[in-house]
Amino acid sequence: EAGVTQFPSHSVIEKGQTVTLRCDPISGHDNLYWYRRVMGKEIKFLLHFVKESKQDESGMPNNRFLAERTGGTYSTLKVQPAELEDSGVYFCASSQDGAAYGYTFGSGTRLTVV
Amino acid sequence: GQNIDQPTEMTATEGAIVQINCTYQTSGFNGLFWYQQHAGEAPTFLSYNVLDGLEEKGRFSSFLSRSKGYSYLLLKELQMKDSASYLCAVPPYSGAGSYQLTFGKGTKLSVIP
Repeated sequence: EAGVTQFPSHSVIEKGQTVTLRCDPISGHDNLYWYRRVMGKEIKFLLHFVKESKQDESGMPNNRFLAERTGGTYSTLKVQPAELEDSGVYFCASSQDGAAYGYTFGSGTRLTVV
Repeated sequence: GQNIDQPTEMTATEGAIVQINCTYQTSGFNGLFWYQQHAGEAPTFLSYNVLDGLEEKGRFSSFLSRSKGYSYLLLKELQMKDSASYLCAVPPYSGAGSYQLTFGKGTKLSVIP
């Protein structure tokens, strides 16, 4: 079975630009999560989709971040406009029944804002 | 809220045994996870403890004491490929809603010859 796939693996953009990250979960997994690790800090939850609905977006840092999951398949996370503090590694995870022990993580997108 | 503490870095010798500790403070408890993450790769699941005691899985074992808010990951017969970050994580207390994980900062383990 294919794992969780994230695109791109790396992205370097200038402050003020827009970047869109993509996550393809494992086929059939209704639950999709976004997490972020800022340098020197722990991995932190951003939001949780169940199919195409946002179940919990309490971790989204501000309204410059927009996540979508049209059709309940892949998800995108857009940062607009990007700021320096948005630099970090963005991880996506998916699971079939939502329970944390069912998670499969992607390798992450390393975002650098300069 | 939830707070997790683990050492930042550890170094151990190939073939040896190493214990990576994790202490946590949570409002309620719903289990504790250990993940392994090699540089540039996805975190991968190692163990999930919900009851007190030691669970062994090959060279890796995980221990939990709920009364002490303490867990450790024990790695035996260390191999060079075990060099990675080890992440301790807890889910929210049951009924708190989503199943997001709260992670510690991770322990970077370096295995030397």
